[in-house]
Amino acid sequence: RKEVEQDPGPFNVPEGATVAFNCTYSNSASQSFFWYRQDCRKEPKLLMSVYSSGNEDGRFTAQLNRASQYISLLIRDSKLSDSATYLCVVSLYSGNTPLVFGKGTRLSVIA
Amino acid sequence: EPEVTQTPSHQVTQMGQEVILRCVPISNHLYFYWYRQILGQKVEFLVSFYNNEISEKSEIFDDQFSVERPDGSNFTLKIRSTKLEDSAMYFCASSVDSGNNEQFFGPGTRLTVL
Repeated sequence: RKEVEQDPGPFNVPEGATVAFNCTYSNSASQSFFWYRQDCRKEPKLLMSVYSSGNEDGRFTAQLNRASQYISLLIRDSKLSDSATYLCVVSLYSGNTPLVFGKGTRLSVIA
Repeated sequence: EPEVTQTPSHQVTQMGQEVILRCVPISNHLYFYWYRQILGQKVEFLVSFYNNEISEKSEIFDDQFSVERPDGSNFTLKIRSTKLEDSAMYFCASSVDSGNNEQFFGPGTRLTVL
């Protein structure tokens, strides 16, 4: 069973659209959760940490459902610059532990 | 804004040769990591390093790999005898403390083994 599973996409959406990505993780002991974005042939960049209560950063909203082992990311009012691969990432403990990456969901925002 | 830096950006080597990939983590960070990403695949953990010793390593990090912090700023990954399957992007990452495990990645070194 894959540790972190994501729909690979691609999601092709028009500018201004709302798009949602989902992710499931297999290890119920996971403690820390993140969304990273990765542009083509670039490094992963931390987009946001995901907290149990859910959190929002501008146009981005992340939710965590520990019971279902499910993480989501919602992007409102998509911009062309949002085009990237979105990586769902978990770690077993809160600190200084390996990050486990999903394979990513590709988003293309079209003018 | 402080960032992780890596050199070289691209390294081409012959199979069997040794390579050293270099990283300068963010200056007040204490925890350092190496990850790799084979083209088209997910990012995979190699090794973590704290207080001048390896904290954890994956199955990928076999005897051909080693890490070192030779001075107060650099963090290196050495591959002793490269294989074709070592061709990948190698990312260095660092984190400031053990609280939330937010790790920040360098731009990567693309290693091509011929």
